[in-house]
This record gives sequence, C-alpha cells and structure tokens, in this order.
Amino acid sequence: DAGVIQSPRHEVTEMGQEVTLRCKPISGHDYLFWYRQTMMRGLELLIYFNNNVPIDDSGMPEDRFSAKMPNASFSTLKIQPSEPRDSAVYFCASSLLGAGENEQFFGPGTRLTVL
Amino acid sequence: SQQGEEDPQALSIQEGENATMNCSYKTSINNLQWYRQNSGRGLVHLILIRSNEREKHSGRLRVTLDTSKKSSSLLITASRAADTASYFCATRDTNAGKSTFGDGTTLTVKP
Repeated sequence: DAGVIQSPRHEVTEMGQEVTLRCKPISGHDYLFWYRQTMMRGLELLIYFNNNVPIDDSGMPEDRFSAKMPNASFSTLKIQPSEPRDSAVYFCASSLLGAGENEQFFGPGTRLTVL
Repeated sequence: SQQGEEDPQALSIQEGENATMNCSYKTSINNLQWYRQNSGRGLVHLILIRSNEREKHSGRLRVTLDTSKKSSSLLITASRAADTASYFCATRDTNAGKSTFGDGTTLTVKP
C-alpha cells in the first residue's frame, strides 16, 4: 500500500481564495483524521470520520472550514475564503480501529501558505 | 491546554548517549502513544502502551507508564544522528473517541 496520500504537497494562494486539500486514506481503514500543525498551536485535530461519517468536528476553527468524505477512499478539506492565519501544514491520517485504539498513519502533509 | 505535555521542549545530546523524554497528562486514559516527526514529514507511530501496562520495549525504545502520576517516559538508547526529530505523545482518554497530541520534544543528536 502506498500509505496515506495527500495532494497538493504545497499550496500558495492569495487571501480570499478557495483552497481544497485532498486525502486518500489507506485502503481498509475506517477512520480518517484531519490535523493542522503550526508553531504556535502545535498539532490540532480538526475533524475525524468513521466509515465516511463525520464524528467530531469540534476542532474546525470556523465556518470557513468544511470537510467531506464522499466515499471510503477520498476526503477533502476546504477553506473558503482563505486567510493568512490559515497558513499551516495540514495532515490527513487514517487508522484501522477507533481513534487512539491503535496507530494512526499520517500522510506527508500539505503546506499551505495564504498571502 | 493540551492533554499531553512533553518535557523537555528541546533536548540535544551526542550520538551514543541515551535520550529521555517525558509526557504528562491530566485525565484517565485508555492508552498512550509515542510518535516521531522528522522535519517536513508526517508523524510516524513508534509505540503504544495501554493503561494496564507499565513498560514496553521496541528495539532501542523503552516506554514506561505511571498512571498514578499520569506520566510516561520515552527512552531512546544508544542514540544515532538519524534519531534527530520531534517526538510527540498522544493520549486517548477513557471518555473520548480521539487522541490528543502534546506539543512535542525536539531531539537533536549530534554526530
């Protein structure tokens, strides 16, 4: 298996633009997580899905952020409109069992820069 | 504040020395995990220790868990330059369906 795949790896955009981050989890994993990592706030869980259903989105910072998982092999995180403070590295991770029951496999991340 | 808090924030040692990092947490947990993150990469799972376990080994890694003190330690023996990375603990508390990550310890191993 190729592991968790994220695209794009780098994204530079201007304030106000829509940004869409993509994730393909490991096949067979039932849980998918979106994290954001910054120097100031560390690693924050934004949202996670179980069997394509959002379970906990309490970490989503604002209504500008939305996430979907239309099927077991694909998820998107969308920011609209983007702001400079959204600049961060966004990670997608998946796991076979419940969040924290066993290891999470992380993707390489998308480095987002909003100018 | 974060559920898991690592200590120290940064650690610098010579190759061959042992490195010890600590993690403290606040609530009751089901398990605690340690992850490594190399610069510019995603996190990689190292080891999981359950609340009923006190010690676990994996290669050069030794993890201890003291639930009475709500703390865990990660020991890396005979460190190598390739161990240079940030190390995070993640706790899953008994009432949550998710893990919470600490702020990490940045380890630098000098050749």
